[in-house]
Amino acid sequence: QQQVKQSPQSLIVQKGGISIINCAYENTAFDYFPWYQQFPGKGPALLIAIRPDVSEKKEGRFTISFNKSAKQFSLHIMDSQPGDSATYFCAASGQTGANNLFFGTGTRLTVIP
Amino acid sequence: NAGVTQTPKFQVLKTGQSMTLQCAQDMNHEYMSWYRQDPGMGLRLIHYSVGAGITDQGEVPNGYNVSRSTTEDFPLRLLSAAPSQTSVYFCASNPTGTTDTQYFGPGTRLTVL
Repeated sequence: QQQVKQSPQSLIVQKGGISIINCAYENTAFDYFPWYQQFPGKGPALLIAIRPDVSEKKEGRFTISFNKSAKQFSLHIMDSQPGDSATYFCAASGQTGANNLFFGTGTRLTVIP
Repeated sequence: NAGVTQTPKFQVLKTGQSMTLQCAQDMNHEYMSWYRQDPGMGLRLIHYSVGAGITDQGEVPNGYNVSRSTTEDFPLRLLSAAPSQTSVYFCASNPTGTTDTQYFGPGTRLTVL
């Protein structure tokens, strides 16, 4: 059973457009929600993360929106660039003492010049 | 500072063979983890360690063994490889007792024939 559901599976956006990736979770014990970016042949790298005490976090062109009541969170990439073309994973974890990070299934983003 | 390193980069095994995937980090992180990445499945936690001498199972531990004799190294052993273990394996480390900012290695692509 997938603990974190992610959509869409793939996304094509024009340069300068907004890319939006959505994730949903069920476990109310989750309290840390990171997004990872992965380029082909590389390991994932942390892009941005949020905790449920805030509804939005922005870092440059990347914004996480968090809706605690709906148990949903999303990544918005403003002014998308070809260099943003990568696979994006949302994830979630809880402060259980275990090192468990549950990942979504990934979204392959392609930004067309 | 090399970060998280993994060897080998690629490996082909026959069913029933055993092998060890190596992982090392030079950041003095206490926490280390092994994930497997399969198409459409995201990353799934295999085993993790919260310090030297301490390991525990993740989401998909069957068929894999780990040990942690030093802070730096966290090898993953396949005792009797099966085609279902064909995957890309990532090692990760993080400094604290939470899953904040996991640093991933470059991955090992394993094919079991």
